[in-house]
Amino acid sequence: EDQVTQSPEALRLQEGESSSLNCSYTVSGLRGLFWYRQDPGKGPEFLFTLYSAGEEKEKERLKATLTKKESFLHITAPKPEDSATYLCAVTYGGSQGNLIFGKGTKLSVKP
Amino acid sequence: NAGVTQTPKFQVLKTGQSMTLQCAQDMNHEYMSWYRQDPGMGLRLIHYSVGAGITDQGEVPNGYNVSRSTTEDFPLRLLSAAPSQTSVYFCASKRARNTEAFFGQGTRLTVV
Repeated sequence: EDQVTQSPEALRLQEGESSSLNCSYTVSGLRGLFWYRQDPGKGPEFLFTLYSAGEEKEKERLKATLTKKESFLHITAPKPEDSATYLCAVTYGGSQGNLIFGKGTKLSVKP
Repeated sequence: NAGVTQTPKFQVLKTGQSMTLQCAQDMNHEYMSWYRQDPGMGLRLIHYSVGAGITDQGEVPNGYNVSRSTTEDFPLRLLSAAPSQTSVYFCASKRARNTEAFFGQGTRLTVV
């Protein structure tokens, strides 16, 4: 059973069409939830860390939120340069501080 | 700032050969880890280290060895390469237990 599940697997948007990516987790004792962006052929690039339910972080067109069971990455008026795979990861009481990743959502934004 | 540097970027090995993937960080981070990324599988933890001289196994450690003699370096050794080890390998470092990790650019390894 996956501890971190991301949905959808792939998302195609038109430029300017806002949407949300979901990351649900089943771990106990969440210590942190992390969002990354990964471009083809590159390593994951850190975006946000969320530590407690109700917390929100924002950067340009991206906004991350956290509840007790899931996190959302909201993308407002996306541009083609936002096309990438977005990864979610958690650390929890039993992970020894290691990040446990979901499988990612591949976002394509068409002009 | 260099951040996390991995070498080589690409490598082709024959089955049974050994090699070392290099990873160095210049951020004085205590935590370092190795992940592999395969299509449809996400990033999976191979080995990790919480400081010089301390290493431990992750989710998929078989066929790999690590050591951590300095804070800066965390090499990953493939003892006898197998086609199942064809993957993209990422090294990461982080400042503390529940903080964000910073990743290198990856090594794409093909075992034939």
